[in-house]
Amino acid sequence: QSVLTQPPSASGTPGQRVTISCSGSSSNIGSNFVEWYQQLPGTAPKLLIYRNNQRPSGVPDRFSGSKSDTSASLAVSGLRSEDEADYYCATWDDSLSGWVFGGGTKLTVL
Amino acid sequence: QVTLKESGPMLVKPTETLTLTCTVSGFSLNSARVGVNWIRQPPGKALEWLAHIFSNDEKSYSPSLKTRLTISKDIPKSQVVLTMTNMDPVDTGTYYCVRLRYDWNYFYYYMDVWGKGTTVTVSS
Repeated sequence: QSVLTQPPSASGTPGQRVTISCSGSSSNIGSNFVEWYQQLPGTAPKLLIYRNNQRPSGVPDRFSGSKSDTSASLAVSGLRSEDEADYYCATWDDSLSGWVFGGGTKLTVL
Repeated sequence: QVTLKESGPMLVKPTETLTLTCTVSGFSLNSARVGVNWIRQPPGKALEWLAHIFSNDEKSYSPSLKTRLTISKDIPKSQVVLTMTNMDPVDTGTYYCVRLRYDWNYFYYYMDVWGKGTTVTVSS
């Protein structure tokens, strides 16, 4: 059971906008920055968003992040077939004194 | 270019001790405000944080695995080593080492570069 809660799946058609949620608590999302990672099939995770809404260089601006209170969201606009992957949210948890992850959301492009 | 590479045995027997090595390049383990995380992922399951070590040698472990884990670093070799004792089949999975980068403007660490991972199977 993951500390952060994500929907197990999400889907959309090419060109659509899809949002993935990540719910936590005051000890993690509520008091720390959130990151998002993309894991393509058979590969290692890759940093997509850091500090709630910042994109590392090379990440398309189709990906955006936001945070409110104890929840965060990742939005993917202009959905493309290559966006099919698992997406994980992560943050520091003050109570556990360690990093916590969501259970992951499998994004399918129909 | 920052890279991390995990190495270790592909197969270990139950009750044995696993030793994994993360060899880094493109940055120094001695640099200010740098760290390395170990993360694992059982087949088809979510990511799980195991341990971290910072450049000042501060260490922290997952509460659920704390008694079984030890993390250390060898600066001249640019390596971070993780040992996990009393291995069990439920420990089967892919183990990743990840760089912890410090955001000097906001005073926090985040995981930015991941190794490709090494797969470990626990079976007799």
